[in-house]
Amino acid sequence: EDQVTQSPEALRLQEGESSSLNCSYTVSGLRGLFWYRQDPGKGPEFLFTLYSAGEEKEKERLKATLTKKESFLHITAPKPEDSATYLCAALKTSYDKVIFGPGTSLSVIP
Amino acid sequence: NAGVTQTPKFQVLKTGQSMTLQCAQDMNHNSMYWYRQDPGMGLRLIYYSASEGTTDKGEVPNGYNVSRLNKREFSLRLESAAPSQTSVYFCASRIQGVYEQYFGPGTRLTVT
Repeated sequence: EDQVTQSPEALRLQEGESSSLNCSYTVSGLRGLFWYRQDPGKGPEFLFTLYSAGEEKEKERLKATLTKKESFLHITAPKPEDSATYLCAALKTSYDKVIFGPGTSLSVIP
Repeated sequence: NAGVTQTPKFQVLKTGQSMTLQCAQDMNHNSMYWYRQDPGMGLRLIYYSASEGTTDKGEVPNGYNVSRLNKREFSLRLESAAPSQTSVYFCASRIQGVYEQYFGPGTRLTVT
C-alpha cells in the first residue's frame, strides 16, 4: 500500500537553530515528490518539486533533498515567520494521484 | 489573478442536509481536485477532473458527487451530510504538463 510518513510530528526550534524535517515514502510508480507549506486556516502553498534521487532545490532558508526512499527539508537559521505545517506529497505516474503525508508542525520561537 | 477561490469559507449542517461547495480558478488550469483534510491525516483525494467534461473518483468518494461545470468551475455536493463528513475541504488545480497543484483557502464544514 502506498504510504507517506513524516517525522517529527511537531518541532520547536529557537530562532537561528537549524534542523531538518523528514519525509519517508513507500510508493509504487513514484514520479516526483512535492513539499508544501500550510499556515493555520489556509490552503497548502507549493514550495518545491523533486523528480530524481540526488536532486536539491533551495528557496531562502529552505533546502529540499531527495533520496530513493526519503526526502528532507532542511531549514537553516529559521525565523518565526517560518512557523507553519510542512507537508510532503508523492506524485504517482498517473500524475493525478498525489499521496500526502500528515505534515510536520514547525514552531520557531524568537 | 485570484487563483483558486472557494465558497463558502465556513458551513454548519445538520445530519441529512445537503449542500454544494463551490470552487473556481482563473489560471486556465486543466485539472481540478477536491480533497478533505482531517487532523493527523494527510490530505485525501475525493474526486478529480482531468479536463472539462471528465470526472473520476479518488480515495474517499463515498457520500460525495462532483460536477465540472466548465473549465473554471468544479463543485462538490454532499447529498445527505453525515457527521463523518465534518472536515476541511480544499479545492486544487494544475495546468497540463506541470505537476504541482495549487490550492484554494478551504471550506470548514461541521455536520452536527
